[in-house]
Amino acid sequence: QKEVEQNSGPLSVPEGAIASLNCTYSDRGSQSFFWYRQYSGKSPELIMSIYSNGDKEDGRFTAQLNKASQYVSLLIRDSQPSDSATYLCAVTTKTSYDKVIFGPGTSLSVIP
Amino acid sequence: DGGITQSPKYLFRKEGQNVTLSCEQNLNHDAMYWYRQDPGQGLRLIYYSQIVNDFQKGDIAEGYSVSREKKESFPLTVTSAQKNPTAFYLCASSAAVGGTQYFGPGTRLTVL
Repeated sequence: QKEVEQNSGPLSVPEGAIASLNCTYSDRGSQSFFWYRQYSGKSPELIMSIYSNGDKEDGRFTAQLNKASQYVSLLIRDSQPSDSATYLCAVTTKTSYDKVIFGPGTSLSVIP
Repeated sequence: DGGITQSPKYLFRKEGQNVTLSCEQNLNHDAMYWYRQDPGQGLRLIYYSQIVNDFQKGDIAEGYSVSREKKESFPLTVTSAQKNPTAFYLCASSAAVGGTQYFGPGTRLTVL
């Protein structure tokens, strides 16, 4: 079982719609969760981090965490063409240290 | 401005040559990382360093070497032993291992 899984996509949504990106992880002890956005040919940039169950909102972005279900999601409201990118989910897992594991990413395309 | 710089942006190498990729940060972060990203793939950890003069192998360290002589710098050498080095290389740092990682702009290495 892969440690962090995401739907590879591509996920296509019309402009103005809500985009929902999902991520599941295997380590029940994971404590920290991150969402990154990566434009083609560029490096990942942090969107937000979440540590507690529930929702965390930042502008048009909402991260949702459910540790019991080992599930973290990212909602993008009022999607814009500029949101078209690959979204990476990252989760810490306990090895000999707090290792951050990145998922393979979900490609999002927002259609004008 | 605080941030992470990587140089060069593009690097071309002949087979059998060693090359060194530069990574510098002025965020006063203790932890630094090197990742490799192949087209359409997620991030794979090459090496990480929790503190000056200490570094550990990641998941794909074979054919790579690093040093951490200064807090600000974490150069990566791609040796001739790395059989398939063509990839996008990303350096990141965090205040401590397991914390939020911030990425440099990346170096794209091509073996001719």
